[in-house]
Amino acid sequence: GAGVSQSPSNKVTEKGKDVELRCDPISGHTALYWYRQSLGQGLEFLIYFQGNSAPDKSGLPSDRFSAERTGGSVSTLTIQRTQQEDSAVYLCASSFIARETQYFGPGTRLLVL
Amino acid sequence: SQQGEEDPQALSIQEGENATMNCSYKTSINNLQWYRQNSGRGLVHLILIRSNEREKHSGRLRVTLDTSKKSSSLLITASRAADTASYFCATDALNAGNNRKLIWGLGTSLAVNP
Repeated sequence: GAGVSQSPSNKVTEKGKDVELRCDPISGHTALYWYRQSLGQGLEFLIYFQGNSAPDKSGLPSDRFSAERTGGSVSTLTIQRTQQEDSAVYLCASSFIARETQYFGPGTRLLVL
Repeated sequence: SQQGEEDPQALSIQEGENATMNCSYKTSINNLQWYRQNSGRGLVHLILIRSNEREKHSGRLRVTLDTSKKSSSLLITASRAADTASYFCATDALNAGNNRKLIWGLGTSLAVNP
C-alpha cells in the first residue's frame, strides 16, 4: 500500500487485559512515531524509532507501555494491564527524514471498559 | 507556556472568509510544519517551512515564519466548509534536555460555516 496502515481500526477491551496495536509504515521510511490522542486534545508523543538507533521512549506514560519495531519496518505498540485512562486514539506516523514531513496512519481507537 | 502553542484555540468563520492561525515556539528550530486533522483521525501534512525561509504557499494556503518573533502563521484564503478541521503546528526544536525533538502544539479548531 502507498500509505501508513494501522490495525485494528477499533479495539474494545476490558480493564486489565493486554492489547497490541500494529503499524505498517511506508516502505523505506526510517523514522516511525507513535502518538496518543485523547478526545479533543493534541498529540501526546509516545515513542520514536529512527533506523537502527535506540528508540526514544521518553514519552511512554508508564512501564505498561512498550513498543518494538522489527526489521526496521512494522511496529507493534503493546499496552499491558490496560486501564480506562488508556482509552484514546493511537496514531502511528512515518517519515523519510527524521523530524520532517510525517505521514500518518488512520489510527486505532482504543476503548477500555 | 508550552512550546508550539497555536492560537486561537478555536475559530469560527463564514465560507469565503480568510482564516489565520498562529503558532509560537520558544527555542531554535530547523523547521516548522503545519498539519490538518479531520474527525480525530490521522493527520495530513500541509506545509513544511525551514528556518531560513520566510514564506511558503500551497494553493490557498500561505505560511509565514518569523524567527525573530519565534512565530508562524497559517493563512487559509477563501475558506470552504471542507476546510473545517483541527490544525496543528509541529516544530523540530530543542527540548528541555537540549535534544532535537518534534514538538506539537495543541491545535486550532477551525469551523467554516456555509
